[in-house]
This record gives sequence, C-alpha cells and structure tokens, in this order.
Amino acid sequence: GEDVEQSLFLSVREGDSSVINCTYTDSSSTYLYWYKQEPGAGLQLLTYIFSNMDMKQDQRLTVLLNKKDKHLSLRIADTQTGDSAIYFCAESMNSGNTPLVFGKGTRLSVIA
Amino acid sequence: DSGVTQTPKHLITATGQRVTLRCSPRSGDLSVYWYQQSLDQGLQFLIQYYNGEERAKGNILERFSAQQFPDLHSELNLSSLELGDSALYFCASSPAVAGQGYTFGSGTRLTVV
Repeated sequence: GEDVEQSLFLSVREGDSSVINCTYTDSSSTYLYWYKQEPGAGLQLLTYIFSNMDMKQDQRLTVLLNKKDKHLSLRIADTQTGDSAIYFCAESMNSGNTPLVFGKGTRLSVIA
Repeated sequence: DSGVTQTPKHLITATGQRVTLRCSPRSGDLSVYWYQQSLDQGLQFLIQYYNGEERAKGNILERFSAQQFPDLHSELNLSSLELGDSALYFCASSPAVAGQGYTFGSGTRLTVV
C-alpha cells in the first residue's frame, strides 16, 4: 500500500540551510509534492516534482528525488524565521488526478 | 486567497448532532477532495469527487457522506457526531490536467462538545 514517512521535527538556526526528508513506498508515484502549513492556516503548495526528474530548483527551494531509494528531500536555503511551519510531503499516482497521500509532516523551527 | 473557498471557518456543535461543510473549488477544477486533519492522525483522505461523480473513497466513516453538485461545489455531511470527530476538515481541488498541483482551502475547524 501507499505510505509516506517523514521525521517529525527539525530545528535550524536562521541563515542556515534546512533539509527535510521524506520516504515513500509506492514506486508507481507519478508526482511528489511539498506543502507548507503555517499555524491556523491551510496547506500551501510549495513545489512539486515529476517522477522522471532528479532535481528541481525554485528560488530558495531545491527538491531532490532518488527514485531508486524512494527518497525525496526539500532543501531551504538561507532559512528565515518566516519559514517556521509544518512541511508535508505527498505523493500521487497515475495521471495525478488521484488523491494525495500525505506524510505526517515535519515541524520546522527556525531559531533567530 | 487560494481560490478554494470553505465555509464555515469554525463550527462548534454538540455530540449527536449533524453538520454540513461546504467547499467551492477553484474555477475550472473538476476534482474535489476532502481531508480530515487531527493531531494524532495527520491528514487523512476521506473522499474524492470528479465532475459530480464519486471517484475515490478513503477512510470515511459511514456516518459521513459527501456530494458534488452540478456547479461543482461540494458538501461534506457529518452526522451522529462524536467527540473524536473534532478536527480540521480541508477541501482541495485539482484540474483535469495532471501535474498542476492541488489547491487547498483554509479549512473548517469542527469542535464537538
């Protein structure tokens, strides 16, 4: 079945890089997503990567995908206090018009 | 504003009652998904509708039901409410074209007392 695993907590100093990791089990995953949830808010799509890609960069965000190990990571460069939030990894199958399966989320705390 | 509208934002009700949560998807999106977020269970997929038809079912209780109307808005009905149903309920929508991302609403916080 489908399962997405993330570590629950990460703490970094302001200005450092943050790396949030995720593993998934379903090799038929087509798209992999990163969402950000700030306190009391909904989920904001940060970025996503198609399964035939190894890397995607978008400003301070870098996504790395290792299909062989079913490992996805999100790197945030120059982490700011405003990056403090919960980050969710999610996968979808087939055409992408299928339900997302989420990890439990990684709570990122940025220390000034 | 994400383009996905959920109402109400907050709901407090008593055990045994029934409530209806409403979601309007982003313009042009045909799929609507409902998720439940609780502290210990993370984000659990409940049900998906595509252009008015049920497309996929997740961990949705028999006390819960949903539908999608011709104008594509969706309603999630929760009945015989229990304390454990207290959670954030999110709606998301996605377009017919794959890879465009899923857009989430800001959620309805349900508190059952």
